[in-house]
Order: sequence, then structure tokens, then C-alpha cells
Amino acid sequence: KNEVEQSPQNLTAQEGEFITINCSYSVGISALHWLQQHPGGGIVSLFMLSSGKKKHGRLIATINIQEKHSSLHITASHPRDSAVYICAVGSARQLTFGSGTQLTVLP
Amino acid sequence: GAGVSQSPSNKVTEKGKDVELRCDPISGHTALYWYRQRLGQGLEFLIYFQGNSAPDKSGLPSDRFSAERTGESVSTLTIQRTQQEDSAVYLCASSSLRTDTQYFGPGTRLTVL
Repeated sequence: KNEVEQSPQNLTAQEGEFITINCSYSVGISALHWLQQHPGGGIVSLFMLSSGKKKHGRLIATINIQEKHSSLHITASHPRDSAVYICAVGSARQLTFGSGTQLTVLP
Repeated sequence: GAGVSQSPSNKVTEKGKDVELRCDPISGHTALYWYRQRLGQGLEFLIYFQGNSAPDKSGLPSDRFSAERTGESVSTLTIQRTQQEDSAVYLCASSSLRTDTQYFGPGTRLTVL
């Protein structure tokens, strides 16, 4: 069993839809990261959270430490949101990555 | 510069040759990380530097891989006697003590023929 599991692996949505990507982990962590990898390969760090909820624009990330689960939500999705979304857990010293969720938002 | 930079952006080499990949972190960032992403696969942690010390080398896949960092600046990842399985994108990231948010460089795409 992978230490970090994401679901779904692939997700296709229509523009404007509300999107949820889930991440479950089995190891103890100090923080969880959500990353976005664009088709060209560049990676952007979206959130780092250790408890509760964070919001940035149309993106919302939540984490439940007791249940070892995090969700990334995208409101009013747009084709430019199409990317691979990666969950990573661990400490500041080392991250373990999920396999990613490929999101495609159709116009 | 404002972000993490890496060089070269692309490197094609022959099996058995040594390669050196460079990472320039964001100025003032004390932590530096190297990751690898093979084609179609997820990210793998390689090594972490705090300053010029590497307390965690557990991700280095073999003794052909080594990394150095000069102070709190440039880091180099060296792969000796490259093998075809070393072909991947090598990503570098840095973070400050104030926040653990990691800022990623554009990566170096290594192809071993």
C-alpha cells in the first residue's frame, strides 16, 4: 500500500464545475503539501497545511489530521486549471508524494 | 533572480558518462531539495540540504549519485557512470526557515542514451 494515495487518478470536468481531489496518507506528518504540475512540467506549490483549512483564490485545501485525509477543492473551474495535482506529505526534510491527479477542464 | 533556477535545462549524455546538474536556490533560502521524476511516474525525493549540510541522503538511489552545496547557495547533483534508468527530470526546490513552502525550479531533463 502506498503511503500517499490520491483519488481520482484522472478527472474530467466541464468549465464552471466544482472539483474535489482527495489525498489519504498512512504516515505521521508535520505538514501536507498540494502541488500543481503544468503540462510543460513546471511545478508550483499551492498550499502547505498542517491543520484546518486554507484558501487562495478559487482553491481551497482542507486537512483532517485524525483521519489522515486532505482535500483540494477548485471552485468555478476553468480550462487553465488543467494540470496534474500532487499531494505530498512529510516533514520539512523529506516529502513522500502521491501519484498525482490529472485534471482536465473542458471549455 | 526571483526564483529557483537550474542548469542545464536539457542534457543528453551517453551511458557511462558523468553529469553535473546545478541548482541556484532563492537567495536567503536555507533549505534545498533535489527530486527526480521519471517519465510517467511520480516525484521521488533524493536529498535535502539545510545550509551546506545534508542530514538526509536517504533518497539517493545509488552510490553513483552525490550532491554538494556551497554555503546556502548553489548546489550540484552529480551522477557518475550514468545509466539509462537515470533518465528523468531532476527538480530542485528551496525553502526558507520562516515558511516550509517549497519553491521549485524548472528542472533539468536528463536523457541517457
